[in-house]
Amino acid sequence: DTAVSQTPKYLVTQMGNDKSIKCEQNLGHDTMYWYKQDSKKFLKIMFSYNNKELIINETVPNRFSPKSPDKAHLNLHINSLELGDSAVYFCASSHYRGYGSYNSPLHFGNGTRLTVT
Amino acid sequence: GDSVTQMEGPVTLSEEAFLTINCTYTATGYPSLFWYVQYPGEGLQLLLKATKADDKGSNKGFEATYRKETTSFHLEKGSVQVSDSAVYFCALRVFGNEKLTFGTGTRLTIIP
Repeated sequence: DTAVSQTPKYLVTQMGNDKSIKCEQNLGHDTMYWYKQDSKKFLKIMFSYNNKELIINETVPNRFSPKSPDKAHLNLHINSLELGDSAVYFCASSHYRGYGSYNSPLHFGNGTRLTVT
Repeated sequence: GDSVTQMEGPVTLSEEAFLTINCTYTATGYPSLFWYVQYPGEGLQLLLKATKADDKGSNKGFEATYRKETTSFHLEKGSVQVSDSAVYFCALRVFGNEKLTFGTGTRLTIIP
C-alpha cells in the first residue's frame, strides 16, 4: 500500500541509450511532479502535471519527456542519455490545484538512482 | 522569484544536544512553509509545516515557527537522537504556484 511508488529503484545504463522511469500514486491526488536531486542533494523541479495537463515545465533539455496517461501516473522518458543525467529522480504528488493547493504538502516516492556510464 | 536559504552543513552534534537549523526565505506571494527529512537511501518525508504567520509546526519533537517579520522558519529540537541523522530540507510553496521550492538541504549527523 505504498503511496507514491517509482520503478525502477536503480537504473544503470550507457550514454546514448533511452530509458524510462515510471511513477504511480494511490493517494487520489490530482497533481504529480518530477524532481531531480544532484550529487550535492540539491532538489530541482523538472515537471508537473495536473489531471494529465502539463502545468510546470522548467528549463529541462527536450531529451526529457514526461507522459501522464491518467492522473495517478506520471512517467519520465529520457532520450540519448548523457553523463550529466546521472542523479536521483523523485516523483511526487499532491492535492488540488489553485486555491488551497499551497497548503498541501508533496508526497514523495523513494527515488530512482540513475547512473549513466 | 521564490527562494529558500538554509544554513550550510554538515552539522555534527552529540546525542541529547540542542539542534537549530536556520532557514530564511524570499517569496513572491504568501507562502506555506515546510520541513522535509531525507533518511539515507530514502525519499523525502514531510516533517512539519506551517501555513500562516506565527503558526508553529511540530512533529517527533521537532518544532518550527513561521516568522513573517524575519521571513524565517528555523527548525529546532531540544534533545537529538542518533536516529535523527538525516538531511533536512526547508521548503516553501506560494499560492498560485504549484511547485515546492527547496533549500539546499542540511546534513545532520548525531554521534552517540
